[in-house]
Order: sequence, then C-alpha cells, then structure tokens
Amino acid sequence: AQSVTQLGSHVSVSEGALVLLRCNYSSSVPPYLFWYVQYPNQGLQLLLKYTTGATLVKGINGFEAEFKKSETSFHLTKPSAHMSDAAEYFCAVSVNYGGSQGNLIFGKGTKLSVKP
Amino acid sequence: GAVVSQHPSWVICKSGTSVKIECRSLDFQATTMFWYRQFPKQSLMLMATSNEGSKATYEQGVEKDKFLINHASLTLSTLTVTSAHPEDSSFYICSAEVPGYPFLDTEAFFGQGTRLTVV
Repeated sequence: AQSVTQLGSHVSVSEGALVLLRCNYSSSVPPYLFWYVQYPNQGLQLLLKYTTGATLVKGINGFEAEFKKSETSFHLTKPSAHMSDAAEYFCAVSVNYGGSQGNLIFGKGTKLSVKP
Repeated sequence: GAVVSQHPSWVICKSGTSVKIECRSLDFQATTMFWYRQFPKQSLMLMATSNEGSKATYEQGVEKDKFLINHASLTLSTLTVTSAHPEDSSFYICSAEVPGYPFLDTEAFFGQGTRLTVV
C-alpha cells in the first residue's frame, strides 16, 4: 500500500532563503510522485511530478525535487523564497501504477510561511 | 493547461437539505473525474471516482447514498450531498483527468474547490 509522510506541518523561512519541504513515501510498486501547491480557498496546482527517468525534476516557479529511491524521499526545494511562495504544499503518490494522477494519496501538507 | 471549473465556490445550507456541486471540464473531455474532501488543516481524501456513463466508485467509508455522484456527460460531474448535516461541512475539490500519450503524461487538473457550510 502507498503512503506519504510530510515532515513538518509548518515551515517558516525568510525571503531569499532556501526552501526545503520534506516528503517521504512508501510504495509497493515504482512510485509516481507529485508536488502540489494550494493557495487559500483554491484548488491544487501541480508544481512538478516524477514518473521515470531523471531523478531531479524541475517544476514551475523555480521549484525542483529529487527522487531518492534509497531514502524513499522526494523533497521539494527552491533556492530563494519569494513572498508569493507562501501557501500549502502537498506531496502525493499515485495509487495506480502507470502515473494516473486521478487517484492520489496525499500527505497532510506543509504550510510555508515567508517572512520579509 | 486544461481548466476545471467548480460551482459554487462556497455554499451555506440548512441542516437536512441537499446541495449539488458541479465540476466542469471547460476545454477538454474528461471520461474520469475524482471527488476529494478536505477537512480543515488536513489533507485531501479521495471520496469517489466518477466515470462518464457508469456508476461512481466510492472509497471505503464513503456513504454512496449520502454523496450522490452523477457523471452524465464528458464535461460534467456533479456531487450531491443529501440531507446535509454540520459534520458534512468541508472543502470539496474535484479533479478531471486528461489522458496523455504516452500514458505517463496523463495529468489531473483540479477545480478551485467548494466550501460547504451546513448550519
């Protein structure tokens, strides 16, 4: 069975500082992993995804994540935080083998705050 | 990217009444749509998978008679919360899947969500 654990329900960084949001997964099959961002009272927007191939995945808004099979991790990073990055971030794993994004297991989310 | 529109964005209803939430794919046909529920400060939980022209598949623990799902066309799925109670108050989000080729390019697009408050 698949599961996702996001370490830290709340992360606070200063503007311009490195953003690191942690995600560990458990999957009985090769995982397909996703990071989504959610702004207040809005739906989710896909930041990036890993299916196969290169383990370092680049997404929108300067975010990237690295799939590390040995560590069962898929941490999200951004070199320099902007105020507009303040939001809730969700890590997810696809239940269906094959990368379908519809049936997803989500982590509990990490709220990112950015201080001026 | 593809656009998924949910309506209404928020709704307040009285306990015992029913509420319908619409999920539309605006610029693509979606044979499969998904309904999620999000409690405050918690993650999204999949409620059901909606397939056009067939019965929805509900996740374990979700009452199918309470949460009626109808996927009558390739661009519209509806979720009706019947006989709503305060504990049904939540944020409901739908997503629609755009089949990709190769399959790994399949992507789901999310609606903006509907905040339901039952008083």
